[in-house]
Amino acid sequence: NAGVMQNPRHLVRRRGQEARLRCSPMKGHSHVYWYRQLPEEGLKFMVYLQKENIIDESGMPKERFSAEFPKEGPSILRIQQVVRGDSAAYFCASSPPPAINYGYTFGSGTRLTVV
Amino acid sequence: QKEVEQNSGPLSVPEGAIASLNCTYSDRGSQSFFWYRQYSGKSPELIMFIYSNGDKEDGRFTAQLNKASQYVSLLIRDSQPSDSATYLCAVRGGPGDMRFGAGTRLTVKP
Repeated sequence: NAGVMQNPRHLVRRRGQEARLRCSPMKGHSHVYWYRQLPEEGLKFMVYLQKENIIDESGMPKERFSAEFPKEGPSILRIQQVVRGDSAAYFCASSPPPAINYGYTFGSGTRLTVV
Repeated sequence: QKEVEQNSGPLSVPEGAIASLNCTYSDRGSQSFFWYRQYSGKSPELIMFIYSNGDKEDGRFTAQLNKASQYVSLLIRDSQPSDSATYLCAVRGGPGDMRFGAGTRLTVKP
């Protein structure tokens, strides 16, 4: 029973390039959440998605960032024209339809380095 | 702004001692509370959740919740060097609304 799968584990991009981060939720989980973690900081909420729907994107920067969770395939977090400040660990989590006392299962993360 | 506050530490305890980790939150409507453990360079791992006032025990871990004081804590009994990690407090106000504190770094010294 595979957990939450994220790829790539490490991603290096030059300033101005695009970064695409992928997340496949656990089997049976229909809800996906993306978080960003800067060094020595906690997890910052970015976006919450169900299949083909963005439920809450209040944590997403207004420009350059977008997310999707298509009917088929993984959820994608896309960062256009990356800057050095985008360097961070990006974690995806999944859950079944969120019961209030149900925690999230996290993937292993993608560590983005912008050079 | 819904805030979750933790002492950043580091908190250092000797092996076999009780480690006490604290968390406060600002949103009185918060409904459930979680503790995650994160080893350096790894992803967060859920270790406890609590949603009723009082204590909840699971092995060496006890979570305590006081909604009136907006306070949640995690006690680790008989601390082991393998417990050395960053502990993240998370608070959920509604579906999809889980917010994390900055974490407390715990070191257990042999």
